Amino acid sequence: KNEVEQSPQNLTAQEGEFITINCSYSVGISALHWLQQHPGGGIVSLFMLSSGKKKHGRLIATINIQEKHSSLHITASHPRDSAVYICAVRSRGSNYKLTFGKGTLLTVNP
Amino acid sequence: KAGVTQTPRYLIKTRGQQVTLSCSPISGHRSVSWYQQTPGQGLQFLFEYFSETQRNKGNFPGRFSGRQFSNSRSEMNVSTLELGDSALYLCASSLANQGTSNNSPLHFGNGTRLTVT
Repeated sequence: KNEVEQSPQNLTAQEGEFITINCSYSVGISALHWLQQHPGGGIVSLFMLSSGKKKHGRLIATINIQEKHSSLHITASHPRDSAVYICAVRSRGSNYKLTFGKGTLLTVNP
Repeated sequence: KAGVTQTPRYLIKTRGQQVTLSCSPISGHRSVSWYQQTPGQGLQFLFEYFSETQRNKGNFPGRFSGRQFSNSRSEMNVSTLELGDSALYLCASSLANQGTSNNSPLHFGNGTRLTVT
């Protein structure tokens, strides 16, 4: 079992829909990152969370440390939101290494 | 402020050769980390440097190595290249404190796409 599991793997939505991407992890963490990668493009850091909720524009990220679960929400989705969204956790412990989920491919159709 | 710069953007090498990739972090960032991205395995952590010291290392063979210079620029080297080393190699920089826990946002470069034939 991977340390970081994302769901769904693929998601297709119509413009304007509310999107939720989920991330579950199995280790104790010091922080969780949500990243965005456009096809052929670099990676952009969207959020870094250690507790609670953060909002940036139409994007909201939440984390529940007790349940080891985080969600990324996109309100009023737009075709330019089409990208791969990746969850990554930085584990607590001796090495604090970063472990990534496999990513969620989001396609928003006009 | 200039972003994270990785050079070269593309590389084609032959099995058995070695390769060196370069990463210049955002000015003022002292932490640089390296990642390998492949279609099959996704993103995997290679290593992380802070103030010229390797702080963390992922589960990669010893053929993968790196270093960081006093100006925070970093290089990674892969020796005796194998076909499976073909991947996008990304580096990221962040503002990190003296501790071992780096909980600062990551700023990624555009990556170096390595093809091994």
